[in-house]
Amino acid sequence: RKEVEQDPGPFNVPEGATVAFNCTYSNSASQSFFWYRQDCRKEPKLLMSVYSSGNEDGRFTAQLNRASQYISLLIRDSKLSDSATYLCVALGFSGGYNKLIFGAGTRLAVHP
Amino acid sequence: NAGVTQTPKFRVLKTGQSMTLLCAQDMNHEYMYWYRQDPGMGLRLIHYSVGEGTTAKGEVPDGYNVSRLKKQNFLLGLESAAPSQTSVYFCASSYVPDGSIIKNIQYFGAGTRLSVL
Repeated sequence: RKEVEQDPGPFNVPEGATVAFNCTYSNSASQSFFWYRQDCRKEPKLLMSVYSSGNEDGRFTAQLNRASQYISLLIRDSKLSDSATYLCVALGFSGGYNKLIFGAGTRLAVHP
Repeated sequence: NAGVTQTPKFRVLKTGQSMTLLCAQDMNHEYMYWYRQDPGMGLRLIHYSVGEGTTAKGEVPDGYNVSRLKKQNFLLGLESAAPSQTSVYFCASSYVPDGSIIKNIQYFGAGTRLSVL
């Protein structure tokens, strides 16, 4: 089982729609989580950090459920520019060091 | 506004050739990392460094070596390239705000696309 699992998608949604991605993680000791956005053939860029139960930034809301070990990302009023791959990331500790564990990403395509 | 800069952006190698990927950051970050990204898989950590003169193995270190002689630079070397090393390589750097490791936010370079034939 992968340490961080995401539905690869693609999620195809019209402009203005609300879309939600879920991500599950296997290490219950993970203390913090992140959502990164990665455009095609570009580097990942931080979208949101999640240290407690959740975080909100404009149209984006991240929620953490430690009991069920999943993190969600909700995007409201989708824009064409939201089309990208969204990477779920957990901060874990193994092999003697803190490390970011990346999911393979969920692809979002927003169409007119 | 440079942030994290990787060179080269693209490279094609023949099996057995060697090369060095350079990563430079101008944010005075202590931590630096090398990842590889393959289709259908998340980024996987190759090697990392927690400060000048230090390096350590990550998840997939075999076939790679690294050096961090200066704080701002982190070099990734392939001594004898293999087709399995065809991938996109990302360098990242980070700092730990307030000394809190849980707030380890990483900043990535634009990537190096490497093909080994």
